[in-house]
Amino acid sequence: SQQGEEDPQALSIQEGENATMNCSYKTSINNLQWYRQNSGRGLVHLILIRSNEREKHSGRLRVTLDTSKKSSSLLITASRAADTASYFCVTGGYGNKLVFGAGTILRVKS
Amino acid sequence: ETGVTQTPRHLVMGMTNKKSLKCEQHLGHNAMYWYKQSAKKPLELMFVYNFKEQTENNSVPSRFSPECPNSSHLFLHLHTLQPEDSALYLCASSQEVGTQETQYFGPGTRLLVL
Repeated sequence: SQQGEEDPQALSIQEGENATMNCSYKTSINNLQWYRQNSGRGLVHLILIRSNEREKHSGRLRVTLDTSKKSSSLLITASRAADTASYFCVTGGYGNKLVFGAGTILRVKS
Repeated sequence: ETGVTQTPRHLVMGMTNKKSLKCEQHLGHNAMYWYKQSAKKPLELMFVYNFKEQTENNSVPSRFSPECPNSSHLFLHLHTLQPEDSALYLCASSQEVGTQETQYFGPGTRLLVL
């Protein structure tokens, strides 16, 4: 299985702090994506990093990818209460079959 | 908004009822998906449609019956469901199937089976 496994399962930080979430996967990938889900709602795509990229930025988000270790990290800088959500690492399986991990629940306290 | 809408947003049904979930995407995508999200479990892919044709059925029980009349609309027909089918059902779309592209999700239908 290419299922991404996020770590930690839950994270609680103060507003303004940085949040780092990690993901490990098992097989070779073409790219890795991060999605966010606010409580009980649909998922929103955050960022995609390709296997030949090592780091990518989007606003306050920074994603790294280490294909040799089969791991990725998502850093959210200067967190806000609105960042409170579940974050999923998603790897691509056969065809366009995305495989979702169980997610990291992030809580940002104001 | 992501360009993918789902109705209804909430649904309560008995085990003998028949209901349908609707999904519509306004993105001009060719692929559409149904996912099931149960409490404390990873998102589970149910069905994949590409250009209206079903390309994947992830061993879903026959009490769930999908329908894709065109590339913009996707239905999930429900009949004789079980309480364990209570979950958030998410629809998604992407430009194509077969490449690892970004999927755009609707807000989901929260289903409760009594």
